[in-house]
Amino acid sequence: EVVLTQSPDFQSVTPKEKVTITCRASQSIGSSLHWYQQKPDQSPKLLIKYASQSFSGVPSRFSGSGSGTDFTLTINSLEAEDAATYYCHQSSSLPRTFGQGTKVEIK
Amino acid sequence: QVHLQESGPGLVKPSQTLSLTCTVSGGSISSDTYYWSWIRQHPGKALEWIGNIFYSGGAYYNPSILSLKSRVTISLDTSKNQFSLKLSSVTAADTAVYFCAREAGGSYPDYWGQGTLVTVSS
Repeated sequence: EVVLTQSPDFQSVTPKEKVTITCRASQSIGSSLHWYQQKPDQSPKLLIKYASQSFSGVPSRFSGSGSGTDFTLTINSLEAEDAATYYCHQSSSLPRTFGQGTKVEIK
Repeated sequence: QVHLQESGPGLVKPSQTLSLTCTVSGGSISSDTYYWSWIRQHPGKALEWIGNIFYSGGAYYNPSILSLKSRVTISLDTSKNQFSLKLSSVTAADTAVYFCAREAGGSYPDYWGQGTLVTVSS
């Protein structure tokens, strides 16, 4: 299976700061990498599909990039409501897998 | 807009069968555009993809979750626009929040249910 490794595991950030989360795949997955935001006691919400395509209704401060094995989720000008855990997910091969998550805390 | 809602017991005794249903509204599970999946999350842990099913009834189960081997069944009820998860011989290790989700083109989950906590305890 494809193993997804996110870094960092935890990040404490000041509002309006830029946040960068990386996801590395154990083998090439093309652009079949998607990003989710999960707030406490909520289900995950899709932010970015296929590495860089924004999902409907997602604020423009969220963006994604990358291909192959290395991917990045960027949050420009962090807002307090962005406090959450972020997961990457691959759909290149079965079984589908998720990264271990990156928790973003607001200072 | 599509809406998914999990339902089922919140408490299951060890060795019994966990049964959850996901009711889909705002869209048909008979569509050939989507797959329907189950994902779980142990308390404080990452998301774990259990498997999915297509409208034709063909299901795939995650073979990498060794603890699920031969215990899991995902099925469809097109007459009720629902799909289900059954997990037999449960143990405390199956205590988790279970999510149902729609997968666009069998790729990424785009819409999720709110999740339901299932606790395995006597």
